Amino acid sequence: AAGVIQSPRHLIKEKRETATLKCYPIPRHDTVYWYQQGPGQDPQFLISFYEKMQSDKGSIPDRFSAQQFSDYHSELNMSSLELGDSALYFCASSATGAGEQYFGPGTRLTVT
Amino acid sequence: KNEVEQSPQNLTAQEGEFITINCSYSVGISALHWLQQHPGGGIVSLFMLSSGKKKHGRLIATINIQEKHSSLHITASHPRDSAVYICAVRSGYGGSQGNLIFGKGTKLSVKP
Repeated sequence: AAGVIQSPRHLIKEKRETATLKCYPIPRHDTVYWYQQGPGQDPQFLISFYEKMQSDKGSIPDRFSAQQFSDYHSELNMSSLELGDSALYFCASSATGAGEQYFGPGTRLTVT
Repeated sequence: KNEVEQSPQNLTAQEGEFITINCSYSVGISALHWLQQHPGGGIVSLFMLSSGKKKHGRLIATINIQEKHSSLHITASHPRDSAVYICAVRSGYGGSQGNLIFGKGTKLSVKP
């Protein structure tokens, strides 16, 4: 069965650079969630989308933005990167806002 | 105080032992997830519960909504069960449409 796909899997950027992370949900899933997991930390919710509209917002910095496209894939855009942005970024998708969430493998972002 | 508390934080068991991981939460929820995270980061959804009990292979998850408590049991544990087990709840009320609030995880190590 198809799973959630994230790209890239690993990304190294320098401070003040920008990064774009992509998430491709499971086919026919219309809801996407983004989570950030810092080293040794539990995941924290960033933002979610349902039917291409932002549905909820968590602890996402103003330097970050995200959107969901017509094919339901989502992109997380991160600007003016800081060392503290180094983390594992997970995307999850569900069939509805109330459905079970399926996680992607994550993108490991390292900011140097 | 965290909204989701797990115990124990670390657990070492011998192969074949019965294992229990506990999760207590302080918020109203619409569902509770048990997740498994292996070294390297990938998260796998084990269960989503809103009431009662679910079983999948050697894994059993229970939830008591009145007591705001859930348990994950592993029967006949095996070294390949070694991972971090995370309890996450979905409030699903008010402005929150499905994002998860995570516990800090239980690191399980099963020795052969």
